[in-house]
Amino acid sequence: GAGVSQSPSNKVTEKGKDVELRCDPISGHTALYWYRQSLGQGLEFLIYFQGNSAPDKSGLPSDRFSAERTGGSVSTLTIQRTQQEDSAVYLCASSFRPSSGANVLTFGAGSRLTVL
Amino acid sequence: AQTVTQSQPEMSVQEAETVTLSCTYDTSESDYYLFWYKQPPSRQMILVIRQEAYKQQNATENRFSVNFQKAAKSFSLKISDSQLGDAAMYFCAYRSVAGGTSYGKLTFGQGTILTVHP
Repeated sequence: GAGVSQSPSNKVTEKGKDVELRCDPISGHTALYWYRQSLGQGLEFLIYFQGNSAPDKSGLPSDRFSAERTGGSVSTLTIQRTQQEDSAVYLCASSFRPSSGANVLTFGAGSRLTVL
Repeated sequence: AQTVTQSQPEMSVQEAETVTLSCTYDTSESDYYLFWYKQPPSRQMILVIRQEAYKQQNATENRFSVNFQKAAKSFSLKISDSQLGDAAMYFCAYRSVAGGTSYGKLTFGQGTILTVHP
């Protein structure tokens, strides 16, 4: 597609429920990133996928968070047993494989998650 | 680990005036990239400008320019002839050029909310 597409745009859920957030990167982009933006906070790195390499999961805050990327394209971020502190905007970004040049990330519009 | 600090939570400017947003960072690396991203109410992060650390010349993109002071680890953004459409949250970001699984990962500052008054 022309840009990074994320769905749903907004999600309201009850504490304890599981949620799935979807990211469809730009066609041809092999690198995909998930970030979390909490109210009044900067962007917190969650996870990074690059091609068929093992993902960098160093930013996932707990084992309730997981992500997968199927076929090197679409990615799903899953949050199990949601807590109120999970409320945030979840941003996805993609880029071409990092090379010698500046790696420009293209971001989606994010998914706003509200946990009641 | 690298850190990025934006000490100005909020800034305001009159339309057509100039404003400077501050950013400092901490790193032990000698080569890296720095970015300014803009996030309007639509939430979509938009790249404003980027700077390669090995280049001494400050980057410029139309009304946007940076003052990159490598020794001081400072990377400020100057917006000239401010427009109403410039109102947004601005994020400073750092990227290492080191290889490995974290290649390409950005470290962001806390952001600065810019208000433009007509």
